[in-house]
Amino acid sequence: DTGVSQNPRHKITKRGQNVTFRCDPISEHNRLYWYRQTLGQGPEFLTYFQNEAQLEKSRLLSDRFSAERPKGSFSTLEIQRTEQGDSAMYLCASSRDRIYGYTFGSGTRLTVV
Amino acid sequence: AQSVSQHNHHVILSEAASLELGCNYSYGGTVNLFWYVQYPGQHLQLLLKYFSGDPLVKGIKGFEAEFIKSKFSFNLRKPSVQWSDTAEYFCAVRDDKIIFGKGTRLHILP
Repeated sequence: DTGVSQNPRHKITKRGQNVTFRCDPISEHNRLYWYRQTLGQGPEFLTYFQNEAQLEKSRLLSDRFSAERPKGSFSTLEIQRTEQGDSAMYLCASSRDRIYGYTFGSGTRLTVV
Repeated sequence: AQSVSQHNHHVILSEAASLELGCNYSYGGTVNLFWYVQYPGQHLQLLLKYFSGDPLVKGIKGFEAEFIKSKFSFNLRKPSVQWSDTAEYFCAVRDDKIIFGKGTRLHILP
């Protein structure tokens, strides 16, 4: 069990650029979640996958955001045409099934300048 | 939709003081409840969880929480805090996904 791995740890990008983050969950976990956390707030749910199927997307996930989990293993979160309001910590978590607690990764901190 | 409310945004205590952090949830179904902790510069870690059974749940590092169904509450307690408990604490509820409260920042004075 090597934990949930997220890359990169930090990303600074110019407004209008596209960015992509990667999450590698714990290998036997079939559920994968993406959250966003801003300063002074709790993590906000964005989307989740069961295996390769994306089962729910939050209203927070605008059309500029897309997430994939093509083979039911790692996942990517892409933000197109980044805005300053996208600056946040993007967290990935995985779980074995819906009844188990999550294991979180260390997150990717995005700064849009 | 389920939601979580944490009453205290920022708590400052001296070492050895007792701690209670309030958490109320709104969800009508069977709840799974959690407390997570985030130490400075670290990722979220699970402190304890309640699924069913004994409403008094014991977690790591001497923390416990009590599920009171009639009050929709799941308060976190610790009888004697340490400086190393300085962190942000998040209460959370789950149906199909976990919904977090806004967090309570706890600062322990040495």
